[in-house]
Amino acid sequence: ELKVEQNPLFLSMQEGKNYTIYCNYSTTSDRLYWYRQDPGKSLESLFVLLSNGAVKQEGRLMASLDTKARLSTLHITAAVHDLSATYFCAVALDSNYQLIWGAGTKLIIKP
Amino acid sequence: EAEVAQSPRYKITEKSQAVAFWCDPISGHATLYWYRQILGQGPELLVQFQDESVVDDSQLPKDRFSAERLKGVDSTLKIQPAELGDSAMYLCASSTSGYSVGANVLTFGAGSRLTVL
Repeated sequence: ELKVEQNPLFLSMQEGKNYTIYCNYSTTSDRLYWYRQDPGKSLESLFVLLSNGAVKQEGRLMASLDTKARLSTLHITAAVHDLSATYFCAVALDSNYQLIWGAGTKLIIKP
Repeated sequence: EAEVAQSPRYKITEKSQAVAFWCDPISGHATLYWYRQILGQGPELLVQFQDESVVDDSQLPKDRFSAERLKGVDSTLKIQPAELGDSAMYLCASSTSGYSVGANVLTFGAGSRLTVL
């Protein structure tokens, strides 16, 4: 059974700081997705990572994928308050691309 | 920009009543998903359609939940009877399918928040 673990599950940080969210998964996959969810809202796609070594960047967020380590990271650079949200990673099964979701990382960025 | 439409946005009902949610996916998206999200948790897949066919409904509580996508376009999720534990956000999402780069990237609707009293 594929398991997806995110850590930390909760992160409170100051504006201007850097931090990394980790997403570990338990079986082979070469498709990983990051989504953002604002409180009370729906989920929004951030990144799609499709191969080992893939790196995507959008503003202050950068995501990477290491399929050999079964690890993806979401790095936040010089955090700003607007990035406060819950971030989910989801891994696609090789067999049928069904998504298995992590529990989410709730990020609070204090001014 | 194309959106996934869901209704109602909010629903309050008493336990044992029937509830229905509707979803209209992005035009051309063959795959449609219904997820349930309990506050503070990740989304849980209830059912996945490929066109009008059910691909996965292994987590759908079939004694009370049903879902259909009769013409392979819009979809309805029904709960009858509703129970207190069904209080959650019900999210519909759609995607293209296949092996292209953009395939399987889910676009979510705004969700339907259900409160069962």
